Amino acid sequence: GENVEQHPSTLSVQEGDSAVIKCTYSDSASNYFPWYKQELGKGPQLIIDIRSNVGEKKDQRIAVTLNKTAKHFSLHITETQPEDSAVYFCASPTLTGTASKLTFGTGTRLQVTL
Amino acid sequence: EPEVTQTPSHQVTQMGQEVILRCVPISNHLYFYWYRQILGQKVEFLVSFYNNEISEKSEIFDDQFSVERPDGSNFTLKIRSTKLEDSAMYFCASSPQGSLNQPQHFGDGTRLSIL
Repeated sequence: GENVEQHPSTLSVQEGDSAVIKCTYSDSASNYFPWYKQELGKGPQLIIDIRSNVGEKKDQRIAVTLNKTAKHFSLHITETQPEDSAVYFCASPTLTGTASKLTFGTGTRLQVTL
Repeated sequence: EPEVTQTPSHQVTQMGQEVILRCVPISNHLYFYWYRQILGQKVEFLVSFYNNEISEKSEIFDDQFSVERPDGSNFTLKIRSTKLEDSAMYFCASSPQGSLNQPQHFGDGTRLSIL
């Protein structure tokens, strides 16, 4: 099955700095890569996703880059703010039967300090 | 913005008892999922559901688990005889279609505590 590796497991940055989280995946058929943010006591919230026909996608302070050859994709957060503190998960879908299932990475706990 | 809602937010149950977790997916979505997250670990797939039947289930989803869409809005996960190791956060998700590039939207989960 699909294997998704995520690094680092924890990341501490100062407010205003950038944060980068990286994921690798194993299934070369994967063509869609979402990132989720999970705040304490909440469910995973989709914050950005990318499809394999593009190499980069940006939405205000967050961006995702994709390298299909190397099978890795990264989340970039610029000008970090305290409210960015959360656990971030990458995921990769696999088509099973008539639906797809998400395989999640192990998560990155981002701490933005003042 | 439409969202997935789950009830209850926290369920405490004695080992061996049955528990039903409830979800209301986003109204125009056709594919429904349950995932589980043991404290401090990653989110794991349990089951996907489409057209009133299971599409796929993981090895975690054994005979003690079942899912049902009893009416046009609810989607439930039942654990027949709970075990201590069933303690986890359970998340429901839905998507408009089941293809690979469709986003799945998650609820805020039910924290299940087995005593």
